[in-house]
Amino acid sequence: AQSVTQLGSHVSVSEGALVLLRCNYSSSVPPYLFWYVQYPNQGLQLLLKYTSAATLVKGINGFEAEFKKSETSFHLTKPSAHMSDAAEYFCAVSESSAGNKLTFGGGTRVLVKP
Amino acid sequence: GAVVSQHPSRVICKSGTSVKIECRSLDFQATTMFWYRQFPKQSLMLMATSNEGSKATYEQGVEKDKFLINHASLTLSTLTVTSAHPEDSSFYICSAREGTANTEAFFGQGTRLTVV
Repeated sequence: AQSVTQLGSHVSVSEGALVLLRCNYSSSVPPYLFWYVQYPNQGLQLLLKYTSAATLVKGINGFEAEFKKSETSFHLTKPSAHMSDAAEYFCAVSESSAGNKLTFGGGTRVLVKP
Repeated sequence: GAVVSQHPSRVICKSGTSVKIECRSLDFQATTMFWYRQFPKQSLMLMATSNEGSKATYEQGVEKDKFLINHASLTLSTLTVTSAHPEDSSFYICSAREGTANTEAFFGQGTRLTVV
């Protein structure tokens, strides 16, 4: 069985500040981990994914995430927030590297203040 | 890129009625589609997996007679919530992939269902 916990349902950051979204997972098999972003009235878009290659994964829009097996974490970061980063972010785990049959966290809504 | 369109984006229906949600792949052939739902303040949960031309496979705890899934073509899957009740109010979202299990699935924009 797999599960994901996202700490914080809402995060508020100032424009230009660091964005840090926390994700912890539980999995009985080696996990594949994903971060998705959902902008208002749009579908989920894949930001990045960990598929057992490099533990530091770089994604689109300047985001990156680090897989830490010892901490069962896959936190998402971006050094400098833009107004366009305001969205909801979902962490997910799958037994498939392609991200099929995903188990999602509860989501974190990011608000960017000017 | 691959586009998945879901319709409607929002729907309100009366208790006891049925509502159909469509999920279309616009620029690829979706051999497999996934349906998820998200209750307020909860995670997105996988409801079922459908392969074109086959019966859907439902996750544990999801009533197949209540949530009817049809995937009769390579570009369209539908989810029908039958005899809807207020507790079915939720955010429903589909994803679709082409080809094998190693192919990425793309998401629709979701449907907000409110049953009154």
